[in-house]
This record gives sequence, structure tokens and C-alpha cells, in this order.
Amino acid sequence: QQQVKQSPQSLIVQKGGISIINCAYENTAFDYFPWYQQFPGKGPALLIAIRPDVSEKKEGRFTISFNKSAKQFSLHIMDSQPGDSATYFCAASMGRTGANNLFFGTGTRLTVIP
Amino acid sequence: SAVISQKPSRDICQRGTSLTIQCQVDSQVTMMFWYRQQPGQSLTLIATANQGSEATYESGFVIDKFPISRPNLTFSTLTVSNMSPEDSSIYLCSVALGGGTGEAFFGQGTRLTVV
Repeated sequence: QQQVKQSPQSLIVQKGGISIINCAYENTAFDYFPWYQQFPGKGPALLIAIRPDVSEKKEGRFTISFNKSAKQFSLHIMDSQPGDSATYFCAASMGRTGANNLFFGTGTRLTVIP
Repeated sequence: SAVISQKPSRDICQRGTSLTIQCQVDSQVTMMFWYRQQPGQSLTLIATANQGSEATYESGFVIDKFPISRPNLTFSTLTVSNMSPEDSSIYLCSVALGGGTGEAFFGQGTRLTVV
């Protein structure tokens, strides 16, 4: 059973456009929601993360929107650049340590066209 | 942050053999994690390795198939035993820093192909 559902599977965006990736979860015990960026041949790298006590977190061009009642969260990449082309994973976990037993979404392959 | 080095970065192995993957961290960490990422798929946690205790395996993964060592706070190994083509995956080492920040750092992964 997929604990975290992610869509779309792939996304093509023009340079300068907005990339939006969505995730949904069922387990209300989750209290840490990170997004990871993975380039080919590399391990995932933490991009941005949010806890459910806030509805939005912004870091540069990357924003997480969190809807606790709907059990959904999304990643918005503003002014998308070709260098943003990568696979993005949402994840969720519970407990104070956060990173213990991360449940990952299925990933979204983003391609930004120049 | 943490810098994680994994060795080997890739290998092609014969069916029935075993491969040991090494993970070295540049700082002392309590918890280390091993994930599997099948081609084009998501990441699945294999086990959690704490120094000085037995690794804790997730459902579907057993110690006989994936024995783990954790001799100190900066190093761990994962062995993939009696390999079959279905074990062809990327295996990733991950660490969580203390302080409850929740951030996990990943190594670059080991791409394993079993023929």
C-alpha cells in the first residue's frame, strides 16, 4: 500500500513557467513532509520540508503548500529553469526524529524546456 | 550537513553471489538507514542500523538476505546475499542528524545489476 501518493508521474514545463507537483497521504500521524530532488546518478537531496503546523513554506523559488484537512501537500517551483530538470520525491514520516522511516511518493520526473 | 560516501558506485554481479556495500559518513551519527530504489521507482526502506544493536528490518526484508553491520558511528555495510536478477536496484545509504530536525542525507547510491 502506497502511503504517499504523488502526481503527476512526469511533467514538462517551459523555462520561466511554474511547476506543480502534488502529494496526498492517509496517515494522520505523519508530521514531517520533505521534498527531495534527485539528479541522475545521485542520491536524493533535501529541497524543502514542512511540518503540519504551517500551511506554506517558501525558500527561494520553491514553495510547499500544505492542506492538513485535505491531507495534501504540493511543491511549486516558480520561474522553472532547465537546471531544475530532475526527479522530485515527496515524503512523509512521523515522530520527533522526522527522518526515521521516510515514506516516499513514486516520484515526478520534471523536464524544463529552454 | 553530512557527506556520505558509498562504495562501490556500481557493480555487475553473477546470480547466487553476494555483494557488500560500504557507507562512510563524515560525522558521527546515531541512525543510519538503507534504502532500495528499483529502476524508475520510489525509495523503500530496507532497515535501520543503530550502532551497538541489531538492525531493524522493514516488512519484506530479512536479515539473512540483507545482513547489516554497524561497527561504529560513522560506518555501515549492507550485504545483498545470494543475489538474483530481482535484486537489481540502486541501494542508498542515508543518515539522520540529531536534534530532531528531520533532515535525512543520502549517499550517491550503489547501482547493482545481477546477471
